Amino acid sequence: GDSVTQMEGPVTLSEEAFLTINCTYTATGYPSLFWYVQYPGEGLQLLLKATKADDKGSNKGFEATYRKETTSFHLEKGSVQVSDSAVYFCALSESGANNLFFGTGTRLTVIP
Amino acid sequence: NAGVTQTPKFRVLKTGQSMTLLCAQDMNHEYMYWYRQDPGMGLRLIHYSVGEGTTAKGEVPDGYNVSRLKKQNFLLGLESAAPSQTSVYFCASNINSETQYFGPGTRLLVL
Repeated sequence: GDSVTQMEGPVTLSEEAFLTINCTYTATGYPSLFWYVQYPGEGLQLLLKATKADDKGSNKGFEATYRKETTSFHLEKGSVQVSDSAVYFCALSESGANNLFFGTGTRLTVIP
Repeated sequence: NAGVTQTPKFRVLKTGQSMTLLCAQDMNHEYMYWYRQDPGMGLRLIHYSVGEGTTAKGEVPDGYNVSRLKKQNFLLGLESAAPSQTSVYFCASNINSETQYFGPGTRLLVL
C-alpha cells in the first residue's frame, strides 16, 4: 500500500542555516507529492507540490524535487528564519484518488 | 471567503458521551474529508465524501459516523466516545484531486 516515511524530528536550527527534511514514499501508481506546513495552533497549509517525476515544487524559499528513481521528495531551504518554525508534513496522493497519505511530521524550531 | 471552518475548537467529553463535530466550507468544493492527528502518527483519514449525500470510509473509520446532507457541511459524529478518540480532528475540502484546504482543527479530550 501507499506510505510516506519522513525524517524524525525535532529539528533545531539557527537562523540562516540550511534545512533538509527527508521524505521517501511507497506508491503503487504515479502519485502527486506534497509538503504541508502546520504553524502553531493552526491547520495544515499547502507549502508546495509536484505532480510528476523531475518536477520541482517551490514556495517561500522552500524547494523539493520529485525523484522517481529514489522515491524521494526532500524539502530544502537555503536560509531558514525564525518564522519557519512549524511542523512539516510530507504527503502523497495517487493519481485519480482523493485521499492523502501523510508522513508523521517533522517539527522544526529555528532559534535566533 | 472564510475557507474551511470547524466547530467547536475544543471539547472535553466523558467516556460514553456523544458529540458532533461540524465542518463547513464556502468554496463550493465537492470533496470533503475528516482526519485525526495523533502524536507520532501524522494525519489519518477517518471518512470522506465525494459529494452531497455520499460518504465513504477512510483508514480509521471505526467509532465514527459522518453525514453530508448539504454540500457545504460535513459532520463527524462520535456515538459513544472512548479515551482512544482523544485527538485533534481536521476537516479538509477540495475539488477532485486538487490541493486540499484544511480547517483549523478541533481538539477533543475524552476522559
